[in-house]
Amino acid sequence: GENVEQHPSTLSVQEGDSAVIKCTYSDSASNYFPWYKQELGKGPQLIIDIRSNVGEKKDQRIAVTLNKTAKHFSLHITETQPEDSAVYFCAALTQGGSEKLVFGKGTKLTVNP
Amino acid sequence: DAGITQSPRHKVTETGTPVTLRCHQTENHRYMYWYRQDPGHGLRLIHYSYGVKDTDKGEVSDGYSVSRSKTEDFLLTLESATSSQTSVYFCAISESPAYEQYFGPGTRLTVT
Repeated sequence: GENVEQHPSTLSVQEGDSAVIKCTYSDSASNYFPWYKQELGKGPQLIIDIRSNVGEKKDQRIAVTLNKTAKHFSLHITETQPEDSAVYFCAALTQGGSEKLVFGKGTKLTVNP
Repeated sequence: DAGITQSPRHKVTETGTPVTLRCHQTENHRYMYWYRQDPGHGLRLIHYSYGVKDTDKGEVSDGYSVSRSKTEDFLLTLESATSSQTSVYFCAISESPAYEQYFGPGTRLTVT
């Protein structure tokens, strides 16, 4: 089945710097890759997603890139702010049999003022 | 916020007792999911439902059962709770697997 690896597990940056989180997946048939942000004590919330027919997508300070050949995708956050501090999860949608999201183990991002 | 609630929000129970967690939605989404979240493991799918009475297993389904008798409710049952089932449980809903999943606030379950 699908396996999603996420790195790094923790990331600390200074306010205003950029942050990059990387994920790899194993199932070449996967075609949907969402990113979720989880604040302390809350459920995860979608922040951006990308489908396999595009290579990059941006939404203000957040961007996601996808390399289907290498089977990896990345989240880029520019001009980080303290409120970006959270745990971020990548996911890939499996295609074998039934469609299910498989999540990475998460990255705890800390933005220091 | 999507209309999704979980009950109870916190529960402490003893090993061997049955436990049922409830997820309720007001969005009329077809798909409902149960995940567990543990440190170092991220979110892992337990079971999901693609319609009333239609359910399927996820990657960590052993020891859990589910039922969906109405579109709005999805129940997760631990027939005989074990300490390894101590976790935070999240319910999620979506219109389709390839679209946004909306997560509930979570249930913290402790099995002593």
